[in-house]
Amino acid sequence: DTEVTQTPKHLVMGMTNKKSLKCEQHMGHRAMYWYKQKAKKPPELMFVYSYEKLSINESVPSRFSPECPNSSLLNLHLHALQPEDSALYLCASSRVASSGRTLEAKDTQYFGPGTRLTVL
Amino acid sequence: TQLLEQSPQFLSIQEGENLTVYCNSSSVFSSLQWYRQEPGEGPVLLVTVVTGGEVKKLKRLTFQFGDARKDSSLHITAAQPGDTGLYLCAGYKAAGNKLTFGGGTRVLVKP
Repeated sequence: DTEVTQTPKHLVMGMTNKKSLKCEQHMGHRAMYWYKQKAKKPPELMFVYSYEKLSINESVPSRFSPECPNSSLLNLHLHALQPEDSALYLCASSRVASSGRTLEAKDTQYFGPGTRLTVL
Repeated sequence: TQLLEQSPQFLSIQEGENLTVYCNSSSVFSSLQWYRQEPGEGPVLLVTVVTGGEVKKLKRLTFQFGDARKDSSLHITAAQPGDTGLYLCAGYKAAGNKLTFGGGTRVLVKP
């Protein structure tokens, strides 16, 4: 099973709303990622969690707040977003060799189907 | 500047024709993945290559990793409309823990 699930599939929100995106995997992977993808562009990394700890934040605005409640779940809390934040938000996961080390170079990332976010 | 350059950016062919997508870099990559993505969906993994000179075949798809691990190619034989999509190459550099993506190649196979 190489499945990463994401909910919701689609989300429309106003600039004053608070919403959350959810991601789940049951592959025993200990690294999880959030990416943002605009139309006709490759995914852009936002956050990396390794062993439930935030290891990389690619200078993402604070209106995006990630959370990793346990090794299978990853959330992205959204507040006071802007229309330019509209995009496909992708979650991914990969195996991690051991705590405290950078990811093994051969680790393959498996992506979820994404959440299409529209900010009005 | 993209660390991974994909070419061409767009390819439109007739069903039954062959096509090749290239992924090139001046940097060494310890592994490289190829994904196919349909509009509004997440990238789906096609293959991971890790050894210089490696060739992997997946039905009508053939993937090659360059000897120096700086480039890769994806060749599709007898393309079908179901092969339509955005093809992305992505790799881990020899030193680093982030996946670097190419700009993508949009493939359209017309019936």
